[in-house]
Amino acid sequence: DQQVKQNSPSLSVQEGRISILNCDYTNSMFDYFLWYKKYPAEGPTFLISISSIKDKNEDGRFTVFLNKSAKHLSLHIVPSQPGDSAVYFCAAYNDYKLSFGAGTTVTVRA
Amino acid sequence: DGGITQSPKYLFRKEGQNVTLSCEQNLNHDAMYWYRQDPGQGLRLIYYSQIVNDFQKGDIAEGYSVSREKKESFPLTVTSAQKNPTAFYLCASSMASSYNEQFFGPGTRLTVL
Repeated sequence: DQQVKQNSPSLSVQEGRISILNCDYTNSMFDYFLWYKKYPAEGPTFLISISSIKDKNEDGRFTVFLNKSAKHLSLHIVPSQPGDSAVYFCAAYNDYKLSFGAGTTVTVRA
Repeated sequence: DGGITQSPKYLFRKEGQNVTLSCEQNLNHDAMYWYRQDPGQGLRLIYYSQIVNDFQKGDIAEGYSVSREKKESFPLTVTSAQKNPTAFYLCASSMASSYNEQFFGPGTRLTVL
């Protein structure tokens, strides 16, 4: 029973353009949402997060939007850079635990 | 230089053998976690521990065991009862004041031959 879903396994974007990653969840008890970035054979690194009481959080080139009524969140990366090529995981927090989506592989083209 | 260390980075074992993966943190974090990642899948929680000498099963605990005798250490044993042990294993930790913000180690790639 996957509670966090990332339906796009991959995304290709041109350098300088916007990357939009999407995430859907089913558990309305989640009270915190996070995005992690992961390179092959490395551990994920924290990118940005948002509390369930907010609808937007911005940190430099990264912005996360939360739509609670739709149980949907998205990560916007503007502008996309070659170093952004990685796997991005959406995660949701509840009851001391994180639930992760399957990840979206982002490739930034020169 | 604080962080989480996992050793070794690559580990090979014969089928039927138990193997223990190491995880150490010097962040003074209270909570520690073990996840497993398989190709095309997200991270799945195996076990977690909020305090020393206490731990809880995650979503896929069968075939695994853990101990938490020290705050900084949370070793994971993959037993012969685990049917598909080949995977990438990730350890994480967090402060008690912010369980949601977990920091990850570099991972151990376990291959069972």
